[in-house]
Amino acid sequence: EAGVTQFPSHSVIEKGQTVTLRCDPISGHDNLYWYRRVMGKEIKFLLHFVKESKQDESGMPNNRFLAERTGGTYSTLKVQPAELEDSGVYFCASSQETDSYGYTFGSGTRLTVV
Amino acid sequence: AQSVTQLDSQVPVFEEAPVELRCNYSSSVSVYLFWYVQYPNQGLQLLLKYLSGSTLVKGINGFEAEFNKSQTSFHLRKPSVHISDTAEYFCAVSEVGTGGFKTIFGAGTRLFVKA
Repeated sequence: EAGVTQFPSHSVIEKGQTVTLRCDPISGHDNLYWYRRVMGKEIKFLLHFVKESKQDESGMPNNRFLAERTGGTYSTLKVQPAELEDSGVYFCASSQETDSYGYTFGSGTRLTVV
Repeated sequence: AQSVTQLDSQVPVFEEAPVELRCNYSSSVSVYLFWYVQYPNQGLQLLLKYLSGSTLVKGINGFEAEFNKSQTSFHLRKPSVHISDTAEYFCAVSEVGTGGFKTIFGAGTRLFVKA
């Protein structure tokens, strides 16, 4: 089966610009998660979708971040306007079980804001 | 609140030597425990998990981990490492009974295997 796919793999944008990251989960996985790793620190939770609904978005840093999941399939994470501290690697993961028996991660999008 | 501490940021080791990557966690409830591995330019891959039952868990690539509830630890071990084990390893915790949907990760341990 195809894994979790993230696009783009790398993005370099200027401060103030907008960037949209995309994640295609494994087909049939209702649960989709976004995580972020900044500067070699721990991987931090951003939010969790169950199908098209946001189950938990407590990790979203601020209102410059907007996540959507169209029809319960792929998800997008938009940063507008981007700031320098938004740089990092954004990971998407999906799972079948809500009780977190282990995620399947994508390769991540490395975002650099200059 | 949950937290995960990986005690070593980097671990250099010679090929065929044993290795232990340490992980401690804090939680007020029962937990599920995981180790993930990230090879260069790849996503995180589940190495092994502890959900319940035997405290010694075996994973892929010859790795194993032992859950110690009294010490709140979940250290990862391999008796003999290979060059190909060079990667970053993440310990993760998810609380039972909360839906487990928010998994907390440690800061990672970089394992360098030298010839």
